[in-house]
Amino acid sequence: GNSVTQMEGPVTLSEEAFLTINCTYTATGYPSLFWYVQYPGEGLQLLLKATKADDKGSNKGFEATYRKETTSFHLEKGSVQVSDSAVYFCALMNYGGSQGNLIFGKGTKLSVKP
Amino acid sequence: NAGVTQTPKFQVLKTGQSMTLQCAQDMNHNSMYWYRQDPGMGLRLIYYSASEGTTDKGEVPNGYNVSRLNKREFSLRLESAAPSQTSVYFCASTPGQETQYFGPGTRLLVL
Repeated sequence: GNSVTQMEGPVTLSEEAFLTINCTYTATGYPSLFWYVQYPGEGLQLLLKATKADDKGSNKGFEATYRKETTSFHLEKGSVQVSDSAVYFCALMNYGGSQGNLIFGKGTKLSVKP
Repeated sequence: NAGVTQTPKFQVLKTGQSMTLQCAQDMNHNSMYWYRQDPGMGLRLIYYSASEGTTDKGEVPNGYNVSRLNKREFSLRLESAAPSQTSVYFCASTPGQETQYFGPGTRLLVL
């Protein structure tokens, strides 16, 4: 079945450091891919998405490129801030059955120190 | 627009008690979902509703029931709570098959 694997955390970085969170997926066909972010005590918010191969999603300085050849969707940011501290989830849209739903990775907790 | 709202925010139950988690959305979305979030497990789908009047099981439906009361509301019921159901529960909705919008979550502790 479809699945998402993302790097385990926690990840601790200093402010202005470069961030990469790896995400790979297993799926039939070409599902849409997402990164969601969960700030402490809150629900999940969509950070960015890509719907087809070679698409780049971007938002708030974060980027991720849909790589079909490596089945990956790694999240990157050039210079993290303390306010980026959160849990990041990679997800794919599962089109099985009568209705699509999201399949999530286990989440990666990011802590950014000043 | 309040988006997706959930009540209660936090609940403590004893084993065997029942309760209903409420979810409502004001975005006129057709599809709604219930997920549970456990440490190290990501989010797992419990039930979903593609449209008013329809519901389907997700990955972990055992011990839960749902009701799509109308287009706005989708409730999750625990008939006889167990400690294994201690979790954070999230409701989500979507207009189609792409971006989902999540509520703030309900933290449930079953003793």
